Amino acid sequence: TQLLEQSPQFLSIQEGENLTVYCNSSSVFSSLQWYRQEPGEGPVLLVTVVTGGEVKKLKRLTFQFGDARKDSSLHITAAQPGDTGLYLCSGTYKYIFGTGTRLKVLA
Amino acid sequence: NAGVTQTPKFQVLKTGQSMTLQCAQDMNHEYMSWYRQDPGMGLRLIHYSVGAGITDQGEVPNGYNVSRSTTEDFPLRLLSAAPSQTSVYFCASSYSRIGGYEQFFGPGTRLTVL
Repeated sequence: TQLLEQSPQFLSIQEGENLTVYCNSSSVFSSLQWYRQEPGEGPVLLVTVVTGGEVKKLKRLTFQFGDARKDSSLHITAAQPGDTGLYLCSGTYKYIFGTGTRLKVLA
Repeated sequence: NAGVTQTPKFQVLKTGQSMTLQCAQDMNHEYMSWYRQDPGMGLRLIHYSVGAGITDQGEVPNGYNVSRSTTEDFPLRLLSAAPSQTSVYFCASSYSRIGGYEQFFGPGTRLTVL
């Protein structure tokens, strides 16, 4: 049973478009992390969200933690080819990971 | 600092063979873990360790053994390789297992079992 479900599984968009990916669970997490993984490399941390309703911005990336701390979203504004990669959310229970969203941004 | 290092980078085994995937970190992190990554499955936790001498099972531990004799090293042993163990394996370390702390990942080992 996957405790963290991510959607969509795949996303292919044109440069300049906006997008949102989701991470959902039936469990409550004390904090949640988002990682990005590029081909042939390990995941790298983007952000940690801790408080329900929290919004964090990292340049063109906006992360939100749900009020009930069961879900999170990642919104990218004006996507660029450099945003291409696998986006993974991770909950604090034994550091489990979601299924991932594979994003491809076309120039 | 080298961070988290893994060897080998690629490995091909025959069914039934055994081998050890090496992982080392130089950040003095207490928590270390092993994951496998299969297409469409994200990262699944195999085993983890909260300190030297202490290990525990993750989500998919069958067919794998670990030990943690030092803070720095956390090798993963495949006892009798099976084609179902074909995957990319990642080792990670973190300051704590409590959560909210960044996990640092190695570059991965791509394993093929024939």
